[in-house]
Amino acid sequence: GENVEQHPSTLSVQEGDSAVIKCTYSDSASNYFPWYKQELGKRPQLIIDIRSNVGEKKDQRIAVTLNKTAKHFSLHITETQPEDSAVYFCAAPAYPSGTALIFGKGTTLSVSS
Amino acid sequence: GAVVSQHPSRVICKSGTSVKIECRSLDFQATTMFWYRQFPKQSLMLMATSNEGSKATYEQGVEKDKFLINHASLTLSTLTVTSAHPEDSSFYICSARWGSEAFFGQGTRLTVV
Repeated sequence: GENVEQHPSTLSVQEGDSAVIKCTYSDSASNYFPWYKQELGKRPQLIIDIRSNVGEKKDQRIAVTLNKTAKHFSLHITETQPEDSAVYFCAAPAYPSGTALIFGKGTTLSVSS
Repeated sequence: GAVVSQHPSRVICKSGTSVKIECRSLDFQATTMFWYRQFPKQSLMLMATSNEGSKATYEQGVEKDKFLINHASLTLSTLTVTSAHPEDSSFYICSARWGSEAFFGQGTRLTVV
């Protein structure tokens, strides 16, 4: 089945710095890659996603890049703010159904002011 | 976006009893829903795929007789944790996809004492 690896597990940055989280996946047929932000005790919230027909997508301070050849995708957060502190998960479609999402292990981002 | 509602948000039960968790898609029909379990400081682990009108598909290592799933309508899936034990204490969260995006319920914090 699909295997999603996520790094780093923890990331500490100063307010205003950039943060980058990386994920790799195993199924070359995967075509949808979302990123979720989860605050303690709450449901995951989609922050950005990318499909396999594009290499990059940006939404204000958040961007995602995709390298299909290398089977990895990354989340970029610029000008970080304390409210960006949370756990971030990448995901990819489960193989072979492609319907459920398989999640990476998560990255705890801490932004200090 | 679509709304998925999960109930209850918290439940405490005695060891040996059963607990039912409901997951509803409020403004769309979901022929497929997904159940995840999340232990503290860990990722969301897919437990099973709930299929309307047919049997659920369980992930490897998940006991189908312990985690009973029923998807009797296009808007409701239920997860029953039978004969609960303290090790079943976790955050259970359901999900449904609308288009390519996955939407999550609020989650249920189960504590077995």
